[in-house]
Amino acid sequence: GDSVTQMEGPVTLSEEAFLTINCTYTATGYPSLFWYVQYPGEGLQLLLKATKADDKGSNKGFEATYRKETTSFHLEKGSVQVSDSAVYFCALRAGTYKYIFGTGTRLKVLA
Amino acid sequence: KAGVTQTPRYLIKTRGQQVTLSCSPISGHRSVSWYQQTPGQGLQFLFEYFSETQRNKGNFPGRFSGRQFSNSRSEMNVSTLELGDSALYLCASTKGQGGSPLHFGNGTRLTVT
Repeated sequence: GDSVTQMEGPVTLSEEAFLTINCTYTATGYPSLFWYVQYPGEGLQLLLKATKADDKGSNKGFEATYRKETTSFHLEKGSVQVSDSAVYFCALRAGTYKYIFGTGTRLKVLA
Repeated sequence: KAGVTQTPRYLIKTRGQQVTLSCSPISGHRSVSWYQQTPGQGLQFLFEYFSETQRNKGNFPGRFSGRQFSNSRSEMNVSTLELGDSALYLCASTKGQGGSPLHFGNGTRLTVT
């Protein structure tokens, strides 16, 4: 069945460091891919999305490229801030209208 | 535009009781999904409703049920609560088309004692 695998956390970085959170997926067909972010005490917020191969989603300095050949959708940011501390979820949506989420990666950014 | 609203924010119930959670989607969104979030299991899909019909169902026991009303508002019910049902329950709405993303509410934190 469809699945999403993302790197285990927590990830701890210093402010202004480069961030990569790996995400790979297994799906039949051509899923849409998403990154969501969850801040403490809140629900998930859409960070960025890509709906077809080679699409690049970007928002708030975060980027991810839909790589069909490697079935990946890695999240990157060139310079993280303390305010980026949160839990990040990779997700896919396939033809069944059901979203599959990864287990989440907690990011902690130190000043 | 108002976001997804979930009520109540917090609930404390006793084992064996039942509970009903409510979700109001974003205006114009016809699909509502429910997820259970726990530290150990992550985000698990419960069910999805579209135009009052259950379109998808996750792998949860029959104690978990839901419904959607004609105005797209949704409720989920858990009967005969167990300690393991303690979790954050998240509702999400979407237009229900193509790659349209989910928009989440802030959740209902259910504690079963």
